Amino acid sequence: DAKTTQPPSMDCAEGRAANLPCNHSTISGNEYVYWYRQIHSQGPQYIIHGLKNNETNEMASLIITEDRKSSTLILPHATLRDTAVYYCIVRGNNNDMRFGAGTRLTVKP
Amino acid sequence: NAGVTQTPKFRILKIGQSMTLQCTQDMNHNYMYWYRQDPGMGLKLIYYSVGAGITDKGEVPNGYNVSRSTTEDFPLRLELAAPSQTSVYFCASRPGLAGAEKTQYFGPGTRLLVL
Repeated sequence: DAKTTQPPSMDCAEGRAANLPCNHSTISGNEYVYWYRQIHSQGPQYIIHGLKNNETNEMASLIITEDRKSSTLILPHATLRDTAVYYCIVRGNNNDMRFGAGTRLTVKP
Repeated sequence: NAGVTQTPKFRILKIGQSMTLQCTQDMNHNYMYWYRQDPGMGLKLIYYSVGAGITDKGEVPNGYNVSRSTTEDFPLRLELAAPSQTSVYFCASRPGLAGAEKTQYFGPGTRLLVL
């Protein structure tokens, strides 16, 4: 699975959009981009995933660049409850999911 | 559905003791996983299973054992607890191979302290 690079921390004002970047320059054609988050030592929570096209669900939007070497997770209206560590993971057909250190997002009032 | 459940929530062990961390899922998922998470770090895979009767090692299997006698249950066994096994343990499951079925669903975790 390709390696991902994320900033260690970010801040966002409550009610504003949070844009979390992820670089995955060695991604291969059959690898998906997944995003999870972990709130205060709870179990990781699935947010969204995509392969090539941009994706949107009730939680977030995922923007994947045309060359697929990077992506951005967008939380459109961040709330205090979105404060968490966000993990960007690239995986293909292997059976594990490699979690890095992630980005610690702090939403401030 | 209760999803993925784990017991106990918290446990203190003495060095050399043994224990079993329980994990159960009621979603009829084929794939199940055990991860550990050390403070400030990401998750590391210990063992996984692709179905009943089949298990395989992950990234950090030493000091642990697993079994998968049923689809629902995937217990993790620590035989001789060591301080290095102090961590939070997460169990996860997913349905199958294709697309969205690769999404893993996590339990709430078991916090283990070995003294």
